[in-house]
Amino acid sequence: DAGVTQSPTHLIKTRGQQVTLRCSPISGHKSVSWYQQVLGQGPQFIFQYYEKEERGRGNFPDRFSARQFPNYSSELNVNALLLGDSALYLCASSWTGVNSPLHFGNGTRLTVT
Amino acid sequence: AQKITQTQPGMFVQEKEAVTLDCTYDTSDPSYGLFWYKQPSSGEMIFLIYQGSYDQQNATEGRYSLNFQKARKSANLVISASQLGDSAMYFCAMRELTQGGSEKLVFGKGTKLTVNP
Repeated sequence: DAGVTQSPTHLIKTRGQQVTLRCSPISGHKSVSWYQQVLGQGPQFIFQYYEKEERGRGNFPDRFSARQFPNYSSELNVNALLLGDSALYLCASSWTGVNSPLHFGNGTRLTVT
Repeated sequence: AQKITQTQPGMFVQEKEAVTLDCTYDTSDPSYGLFWYKQPSSGEMIFLIYQGSYDQQNATEGRYSLNFQKARKSANLVISASQLGDSAMYFCAMRELTQGGSEKLVFGKGTKLTVNP
């Protein structure tokens, strides 16, 4: 079975631009989450979507937005990019429940110049 | 708010030996889940092992085991018979369920494990 897939793998943008990252969950998983991982740190929670509705949002500015489609795939959008947005963006899917592990994709490495 | 602490920025181990990676956590929730992930230099986060707060026995998955000491709020990962391919970053994480119904993982800062031949 295919794991979580993310595209693109790498992206270079300039300050002020907008970017869209894409994620396809494991088949059957209805929950999709997005995490930002800056160099040298653990991932930080950005969003969780379940059944196409936003379930939770981390401490990120409104420049960050996301959505989930009927097929449970998801997009993360970041507007007005800042240098500090340079990071590895990880998408994860899971069943719901406290004992369900998140399964992560390979991530999209975003560089803002 | 929940918190995960990994006090070892880096660890070294000889091939075929065992190594313990430390993790302590802080939560007031009676029900919680603890996870360990491996992140090679390629970036993918690979799920290794899970321990539930109500589980009576320590979790094991192949060469990975979790030394869960609830009273001390620690959940250390033990890797037996280390292999060169075990060299990676290792993250301890806790599943948090918020009042709004969201589920998220709170990660520690990670431990970089290097396995020497």
